[in-house]
Amino acid sequence: QSALTQPASVSGSPGQSITISCTGTSSDVGSYKLVSWYQQHPGKTPKVMIYEDIKRPSGISNRFSGSKSGNTASLTISGLQAEDEADYYCCSYAGSSVVIFGGGTKLTVL
Amino acid sequence: EVQLVESGGGLVQPGRSLRLSCAASGINFEDYAMHWVRQIPGKGLEWVSGISWNSGTIGYADSVKGRFTISRDNAKNSLYLQMNSLRIEDTAFYYCAKVPYGHYFFDYWGQGTLVTVSS
Repeated sequence: QSALTQPASVSGSPGQSITISCTGTSSDVGSYKLVSWYQQHPGKTPKVMIYEDIKRPSGISNRFSGSKSGNTASLTISGLQAEDEADYYCCSYAGSSVVIFGGGTKLTVL
Repeated sequence: EVQLVESGGGLVQPGRSLRLSCAASGINFEDYAMHWVRQIPGKGLEWVSGISWNSGTIGYADSVKGRFTISRDNAKNSLYLQMNSLRIEDTAFYYCAKVPYGHYFFDYWGQGTLVTVSS
């Protein structure tokens, strides 16, 4: 049960697009369409932004999109806004009723 | 309105035990799988354990397997985490989280309860 690999930090200017990667293995990310992404602002609880690799919950801006290729999932945020500055975590089912998170990525909006 | 309220956290010595509870309201609790996720203050999220709606399927992170036990009481709309042989590295905020029916992600989270393991 190794954590999924995410970059520690990414940054972008307002209006730009950024992508956060999440690399796992063929036993987790690559085996199931069950990657989810969470946004967490300081002092707040996590909020799901993407589920089942590419689906967006109702109420989540279409500026957020998910994709996956092989063992790597990605979260793309387009049209960056100041309010997007937060920590982002990927999460995947890993079989045998086990779930794993990524280490988290701090997004800074310059 | 869905509410998940954790309780039971506190300061405990290494090697001792603690039992966390999560009280659910605003949902038909027995329909949903539930999980525990923890977060060391200032650090990342770590999945701890999950339990299916009928307690038939349970999973644990390697870091807690054999020490923690997840359970639920659907009649009381409550989720539990029995934590034994606590270690300093178990210090964290513990969140309960709900999984929507037919899916595998966390759509609602409690506010968390802080467990501090220290001598």
